[in-house]
Amino acid sequence: QKEVEQNSGPLSVPEGAIASLNCTYSDRGSQSFFWYRQYSGKSPELIMFIYSNGDKEDGRFTAQLNKASQYVSLLIRDSQPSDSATYLCAVTPRTALIFGKGTTLSVSS
Amino acid sequence: EPEVTQTPSHQVTQMGQEVILRCVPISNHLYFYWYRQILGQKVEFLVSFYNNEISEKSEIFDDQFSVERPDGSNFTLKIRSTKLEDSAMYFCASSAASGRAAGELFFGEGSRLTVL
Repeated sequence: QKEVEQNSGPLSVPEGAIASLNCTYSDRGSQSFFWYRQYSGKSPELIMFIYSNGDKEDGRFTAQLNKASQYVSLLIRDSQPSDSATYLCAVTPRTALIFGKGTTLSVSS
Repeated sequence: EPEVTQTPSHQVTQMGQEVILRCVPISNHLYFYWYRQILGQKVEFLVSFYNNEISEKSEIFDDQFSVERPDGSNFTLKIRSTKLEDSAMYFCASSAASGRAAGELFFGEGSRLTVL
């Protein structure tokens, strides 16, 4: 069973729309949950982390966590063409950060 | 802004040769990591390193791989006898935190390894 699963996409949204990215994880003992963004040919960069059930907002980004369902999501409001990238969900089932395959988001102007 | 630096940015080597990839983590960080990403695939964990020893390693990190912190600034990944399937982008990352915040990683730009 894969530790972190994401729909690879592509997810296409028009500029100004809300993009919704989803992730499930297998290890119930996971305590920390992260969203990284990776532009093509670049390294991952951290955009959000969430440790507790519920929502966490940071600017246009909202992370949502439901530990009972083993589900993490990222909402991007007012999507911009510059948000076009691959979004990586990551968890720490033990000590190391484990990534999903990522969802490619394309925002059209 | 402090950053993780990696050298070389691209290395081409022949199968069976030894390769050393170098990283300078952010200066006040204590936790160091190597990840790799084969073209078109996911970012895969290789190894984590703290207090001059390996904290955790994946199944990928077999006997052909080793890591070292030879001095106070560098963190290296050595591949002893490269194989074609070792061709990938190798990312070094560092973190200031442990516990829940252990996943707040800062990544370098990567070293692309091509094995011929």
